[in-house]
Amino acid sequence: SAVISQKPSRDICQRGTSLTIQCQVDSQVTMMFWYRQQPGQSLTLIATANQGSEATYESGFVIDKFPISRPNLTFSTLTVSNMSPEDSSIYLCSVKGLDGEPTEAFFGQGTRLTVV
Amino acid sequence: DAKTTQPPSMDCAEGRAANLPCNHSTISGNEYVYWYRQIHSQGPQYIIHGLKNNETNEMASLIITEDRKSSTLILPHATLRDTAVYYCIVRPYDQIIFGKGTRLHILP
Repeated sequence: SAVISQKPSRDICQRGTSLTIQCQVDSQVTMMFWYRQQPGQSLTLIATANQGSEATYESGFVIDKFPISRPNLTFSTLTVSNMSPEDSSIYLCSVKGLDGEPTEAFFGQGTRLTVV
Repeated sequence: DAKTTQPPSMDCAEGRAANLPCNHSTISGNEYVYWYRQIHSQGPQYIIHGLKNNETNEMASLIITEDRKSSTLILPHATLRDTAVYYCIVRPYDQIIFGKGTRLHILP
């Protein structure tokens, strides 16, 4: 299993500012994933972050708005840039199990972001 | 990833078995069926997965039809703490794409 710590757990931010969310894993993993969960909705995949390469973004998400860093195999950050009230969501990071194996994914407890 | 279809909500009496259906008629041969749940305000939690055989663990049982086009997650003795949104997901190995899931209400 993997234990994921996300910081901050919640924040209230002013529109136009940026927030960086940190995700720390207690073991080395190749693939990390960032999700957004808007109020009352399911989780939407933002991007896949592999160590040593640029993140791969899903349709509707761009690097300028959601820059991602992946400096090593246990850590990643997601920045929500130039925030607006529409960015108010829960942001979650996730890792999968053994590379190439059909194992379960693990999720952090999320960062609840409110933009005012 | 293959698309899945789940009922939007279900009720189950506490202590009874909760049977959550999932349709995945376009599943391909190398795709596994996974179930996760999300209890309010928490990150999703893995429950169980399978390829074609039925599976059981300490949380639940997974029944997959012989043609693999549908499956059922069974919580044998539902408790109030099982109230959550349950997601049925079909994927080969990597990222998870979530559908809308089934909101399960356990009734006292």
